[in-house]
Amino acid sequence: KAGVTQTPRYLIKTRGQQVTLSCSPISGHRSVSWYQQTPGQGLQFLFEYFSETQRNKGNFPGRFSGRQFSNSRSEMNVSTLELGDSALYLCASSLEAASSYNEQFFGPGTRLTVL
Amino acid sequence: SQQGEEDPQALSIQEGENATMNCSYKTSINNLQWYRQNSGRGLVHLILIRSNEREKHSGRLRVTLDTSKKSSSLLITASRAADTASYFCATVTTGANSKLTFGKGITLSVRP
Repeated sequence: KAGVTQTPRYLIKTRGQQVTLSCSPISGHRSVSWYQQTPGQGLQFLFEYFSETQRNKGNFPGRFSGRQFSNSRSEMNVSTLELGDSALYLCASSLEAASSYNEQFFGPGTRLTVL
Repeated sequence: SQQGEEDPQALSIQEGENATMNCSYKTSINNLQWYRQNSGRGLVHLILIRSNEREKHSGRLRVTLDTSKKSSSLLITASRAADTASYFCATVTTGANSKLTFGKGITLSVRP
């Protein structure tokens, strides 16, 4: 089975721009979660989607949004980029909702640099 | 905010030695998970222990959970250079809208 894939792997943007990151979960997995990882804040939960519905959301401003498609693929969007948005963005998939009760499978991440 | 706090923050050992990493948390949990991350890449799930379990084994890994002390430990036996990575504990609280909350991680270096 193919693992979780994320595209692009690296991205450089400038302040004020917007960005869309993509995540394809493992086949059959219906839950996708997104995390932001920075050296200062560590790994922080952004949101979780299950069957195209946002199930849970972390403490991030409204500039961070996401969606999930009927094939379980997910995208997250960050608008009006700030320097502090530079981070590794990780996507994780799991079989069921209440995904945190089970093992999550992580993708390799997208490294976003905001200049 | 981080739920889990790992200890120590960094650990350096010789190949063949055992590595013990600790995690403490603050609120009641449904389960606790340990993940490994190699050099800024994706996380790999190592082991999950539920709140009603006290100990679990997986290969060279042994995890214990003490819910009365709100703490867990991860033991890697007979460490190898390939075990060099960052290790994170992540807790899942009980109740609605549960999510995985990670600690800041432990950097393990295994010297060949």
